[in-house]
Amino acid sequence: DIQMTQSPSSLSASVGDRVTITCRASQSISTYLNWYQQKPGKAPKVLIFAASSLRSGVPSRFSGSGSGTDFNLAISSLQPEDFATYYCQQTYRTPRTFGQGTKVEI
Amino acid sequence: EVQLVESGGGLVQPGGSLRLSCAASGFILSDQYMDWVRQAPGKGLECIGRTRDKANNYITEYAASVQGRFTISRDDSKNILYLQMNSLKTEDTAVYYCAREEPRQGWNFDYWGQGSLVTVSS
Repeated sequence: DIQMTQSPSSLSASVGDRVTITCRASQSISTYLNWYQQKPGKAPKVLIFAASSLRSGVPSRFSGSGSGTDFNLAISSLQPEDFATYYCQQTYRTPRTFGQGTKVEI
Repeated sequence: EVQLVESGGGLVQPGGSLRLSCAASGFILSDQYMDWVRQAPGKGLECIGRTRDKANNYITEYAASVQGRFTISRDDSKNILYLQMNSLKTEDTAVYYCAREEPRQGWNFDYWGQGSLVTVSS
């Protein structure tokens, strides 16, 4: 199975901050990398697919980059509704695997 | 509007069985790859099973943790996806989500059910 490793596991930030989350794959996955946001008690929602494509309806302050094994999710100006847990996921091979999550706290 | 609505969760004793349902609307279930994802309390996301679409013969794949105990099936006439869970263990306690894969957008999981809590305890 492809292992996905996110860093950091958690971070504290303030409204208006720029935040970057990193995801590393145990082997090359091209750009088959997605980012999800999950709030407590809710299902995850996709933000970014194929490493850098913004899902329709997602605010433009979210952006993704990377290819191969190293990827980033950036939030340009953190808003109150962005405090959540973020997961990366590879869809290059089955089983689809997720990173362990990054909790963004105030 | 695409929707996935889950049902069937609850409390079950170790060794017992449970079947989860995922009712799909707004799209034709047989045309889509579908997945079951679980999340143990306070933990991350784990894909436990996947079924291909009708064109690919509904081939299923399972995580090692559930292989031989869990089975994914569909009722195309009702547009419902199922997860049959047998020989349940305490470590199967989790919220279970069904999710749709979108092959045109990097196979991301573009729609999710609301989640169904399964608690395995004596």
